[in-house]
Amino acid sequence: DGGITQSPKYLFRKEGQNVTLSCEQNLNHDAMYWYRQDPGQGLRLIYYSQIVNDFQKGDIAEGYSVSREKKESFPLTVTSAQKNPTAFYLCASTTGEGNSNQPQHFGDGTRLSIL
Amino acid sequence: SQKIEQNSEALNIQEGKTATLTCNYTNYSPAYLQWYRQDPGRGPVFLLLIRENEKEKRKERLKVTFDTTLKQSLFHITASQPADSATYLCALDFSGGSYIPTFGRGTSLIVHP
Repeated sequence: DGGITQSPKYLFRKEGQNVTLSCEQNLNHDAMYWYRQDPGQGLRLIYYSQIVNDFQKGDIAEGYSVSREKKESFPLTVTSAQKNPTAFYLCASTTGEGNSNQPQHFGDGTRLSIL
Repeated sequence: SQKIEQNSEALNIQEGKTATLTCNYTNYSPAYLQWYRQDPGRGPVFLLLIRENEKEKRKERLKVTFDTTLKQSLFHITASQPADSATYLCALDFSGGSYIPTFGRGTSLIVHP
């Protein structure tokens, strides 16, 4: 079955450490997104990519970095510059074709905590 | 800036009743609105999409309305079941076609047997 796989499910970060969250999709979707979800808050957009080798900052990009070298993969690095990284991170994808307003397909998230 | 409001208080209802959740937004109307379901520790799952020129959309026990005058969408679950208990998020695209939805914080629904 097609879908989005995020790994790991739980991740712990030490002070000063960069960590990378994996997101892989086999839906042949062009667009991919990273969101951060904090308790009682909506999803906030970190980065998005609508085509391979191109990506754009979202609303809260500071302290994060991404790459999009392959259509299927959109890894997110949480750098040491992100001072409050504890959150639930969600990756999503969509076809983004035309004006079809396709829904987003989500992975099951990675919960990141600070040690 | 665009703002989406969903009731932060949980909605508690009895099994078999109709649950109604509200999504309000400010400023200009989006081209479409989506509703998602999210279970604890899981990613959101798409339920329904309604376009600005549609007043109502149905799917099985689900019904969504979209009132661009009131700037409001209502999400109904008829004959609710305990398995419907989850958080429901609405999402609107204010990006002018760039497919970047803005999500509300969601409303928790608890259906009691």
